[in-house]
Order: sequence, then structure tokens, then C-alpha cells
Amino acid sequence: GAGVSQSPSNKVTEKGKDVELRCDPISGHTALYWYRQSLGQGLEFLIYFQGNSAPDKSGLPSDRFSAERTGGSVSTLTIQRTQQEDSAVYLCASSSPGHSYEQYFGPGTRLTVT
Amino acid sequence: GNSVTQMEGPVTLSEEAFLTINCTYTATGYPSLFWYVQYPGEGLQLLLKATKADDKGSNKGFEATYRKETTSFHLEKGSVQVSDSAVYFCALSPNAGGTSYGKLTFGQGTILTVHP
Repeated sequence: GAGVSQSPSNKVTEKGKDVELRCDPISGHTALYWYRQSLGQGLEFLIYFQGNSAPDKSGLPSDRFSAERTGGSVSTLTIQRTQQEDSAVYLCASSSPGHSYEQYFGPGTRLTVT
Repeated sequence: GNSVTQMEGPVTLSEEAFLTINCTYTATGYPSLFWYVQYPGEGLQLLLKATKADDKGSNKGFEATYRKETTSFHLEKGSVQVSDSAVYFCALSPNAGGTSYGKLTFGQGTILTVHP
């Protein structure tokens, strides 16, 4: 079946602009995660949605970062007033009910802030 | 907090050589442990997992045993192939009772290159 998809695959933006990154999880997966992969910091957790519960936002690096999940499916990660240190690959993952340990990752969005 | 430390890379081996990539962790309670692999140009894939002490995860000839006494989860393969060239990440997830259930903490990754 279809895996996790993310769009765009690449995004180049100017410093100070806002960007939106989209994630479509695997159908039926109730948990959705955002991670960031950068040269300096490795793979970092950002935010986690589980069903209708309040999201775990403990990994968001600043209040310029926000995410929402509509209808328990698609998620959008928004970065406001982008900075050069936001340049990274943003990864989305999803997992099925009762199997949150097994996360399936999308191909990522490579964000470059110039 | 939770942390994962992997052996530094890159690791370069000849085909059919024995592979070990060390991984140690720090966590409260009894986390689940994972190895993820990222092949060139592809996304992260779960390679294997172990959810309790002394469990052995295995897949595609790779193995790792959850050692609570040494807080380790070393990845091994007896005979590597060129197609195993990839970046390998060790990771942990807190146990089901924790509020951060499902959130993965990753090691820094180890680049493996296998030559014919």
C-alpha cells in the first residue's frame, strides 16, 4: 500500500519568509510524528500527534514552529519567519494503533533557507 | 533525559566482512530499542527492534540483543554485502506507560560503506 508521503520534496525560501510542509500518513495510522534531520543536530523529535489527544509539542525548538493535524489525517508543519538554522530535512512518520513503536517514515522535505 | 550514543563512523568494510556497530543508551525505565537504516536517496526504514531485556531483534541477516545490564543494543552482521551500504541509526522509545510514548530518540548515525 501507499507509504507516508510528504510535500514538497524540496523547498528553498528566503530568510524571514513563512513555509508550510505537508505530510500524508499511511491510511489508518492514528499517530503522526515530525522529526528534523540536520548536520549539526542529527535526528531530533519535533512534535507528536496521537488520535484526538493534545499533541506532544515538547520538541519544537521555538514558537516560530507550529503544526496541526486536520481530521486525524494530514498534518502541516509551519515555520514562521524562517532562519538559516532552520535549514534541514523535515521527516514525517506515522504508526498504527497499538504499534506506536513501529514508525514508518516519509522521504522528507529538504528545506533550505537562504 | 533519554539519550543514545553510537560508535563514530564512517565504517568501511570489504564484502563478507563481519560488522559491529556499537550503541549504548541512557533512559529511565525500560525503553524499546530500534535500529533504523537509511539507504542512499531513500527514507528511514525500521531494520529491527527489541522491546524488552534479552530480546534479540533480527532482520536481513542483522541482529541486535537488548542488554539491560550494559545498556547496549549493538548491531551485528556476519557477512556484509555492498547493498548494505547505508546510514544506520540506533534509537529508543520510552515504554508504553510514559507520556512520551512513541517519541524516538536517535543516535547520531553511522555511515557504513562496503566495498566489493
